[in-house]
Amino acid sequence: GAGVSQSPRYKVAKRGQDVALRCDPISGHVSLFWYQQALGQGPEFLTYFQNEAQLDKSGLPSDRFFAERPEGSVSTLKIQRTQQEDSAVYLCASSARGDYGYTFGSGTRLTVV
Amino acid sequence: GNSVTQMEGPVTLSEEAFLTINCTYTATGYPSLFWYVQYPGEGLQLLLKATKADDKGSNKGFEATYRKETTSFHLEKGSVQVSDSAVYFCALHYGQNFVFGPGTRLSVLP
Repeated sequence: GAGVSQSPRYKVAKRGQDVALRCDPISGHVSLFWYQQALGQGPEFLTYFQNEAQLDKSGLPSDRFFAERPEGSVSTLKIQRTQQEDSAVYLCASSARGDYGYTFGSGTRLTVV
Repeated sequence: GNSVTQMEGPVTLSEEAFLTINCTYTATGYPSLFWYVQYPGEGLQLLLKATKADDKGSNKGFEATYRKETTSFHLEKGSVQVSDSAVYFCALHYGQNFVFGPGTRLSVLP
């Protein structure tokens, strides 16, 4: 597609529930990033893929967070046993190799109740 | 480590007023600097960027100059419009990652 597509747009989860957030990057984009944006804050880095390889996952806040990109295109961010502090907007971004033209999706707003 | 500091908002201006949003950074090495804008309910959009010292980024009437001596990348616009109301994020890029500031909310009143 023309842009980075994220789904669902909104997700309400009960505490303890598992959730899966999807990112469809721009076709052909090699690099894919996930960011977490808490209310009133700037985005914070979670993890980075180059093709299917997860090269950096240093930003994942706990072992309840897991991301994958098995075929080097679509990526899924999974959060197990959600907690209230996981409530945030989760942003995905992609770029072509060596290009600063990162394109961000509109994000998934996760609310844990 | 790398970090970005922005002036706290919200900033409220009348239409056609002059805008400055201050941004300073701390970085090891020589990062690239960016301003992103986030309109309500939307994702981040790249506004402008500068990849080395003394470069000036510009777009849609906004400008920012990469000042290595003051480690700053202040955003300016000579005459703001109501449609410029949004949250503005200063960011640095080093290696493979972005580090964002906390954002500054701008409200422009007609």
